[in-house]
Amino acid sequence: GAVVSQHPSRVICKSGTSVKIECRSLDFQATTMFWYRQFPKQSLMLMATSNEGSKATYEQGVEKDKFLINHASLTLSTLTVTSAHPEDSSFYICSARLAGQLETQYFGPGTRLLVL
Amino acid sequence: QKEVEQDPGPLSVPEGAIVSLNCTYSNSAFQYFMWYRQYSRKGPELLMYTYSSGNKEDGRFTAQVDKSSKYISLFIRDSQPSDSATYLCAMSSITGNQFYFGTGTSLTVIP
Repeated sequence: GAVVSQHPSRVICKSGTSVKIECRSLDFQATTMFWYRQFPKQSLMLMATSNEGSKATYEQGVEKDKFLINHASLTLSTLTVTSAHPEDSSFYICSARLAGQLETQYFGPGTRLLVL
Repeated sequence: QKEVEQDPGPLSVPEGAIVSLNCTYSNSAFQYFMWYRQYSRKGPELLMYTYSSGNKEDGRFTAQVDKSSKYISLFIRDSQPSDSATYLCAMSSITGNQFYFGTGTSLTVIP
């Protein structure tokens, strides 16, 4: 149980385009999902917290107009990187929290984004 | 001071060795303690999950929490090459509103 999927697993795009990454909880309802960014050999950096049906809460320094987050249902959250630039190239990982189990998170497999 | 401190390693051990991974923390509000394993280019996988102080064992893995010292450990017995990964500790308050990761320790088990 507690499986989280992400799509796509890898994406290459041109500078200036937008990229959408989907995060789905496959066998449970996730009231809260999280989006992280991870650079090589570094730990996870929390970007934003999204709750179903409400606006995402962004961490300090994360541009909400650049990283659009939508949590439309209890099983799906999307992260859209708008007008991507090479410095946005990174590993993006989502996680989900089970309703009633607030203290832990289950992670997706990650999406590797390369902006040329 | 960081909420959670973890030695990044890298740690290299021979196959069959006992591995000890540790984290310290400063926030008394943390009540839940987790260890995640992350293989290269993959998302973190929840390995162990404990509440408050004490030990928890799952196969070759043992998690220990000492709240009085604000210190948690993960022990891996009879380490295998497949255990080679980055191990991240994580801690959470009861409400989940405070959730922090350590920086991760890179482990290599040499055959």
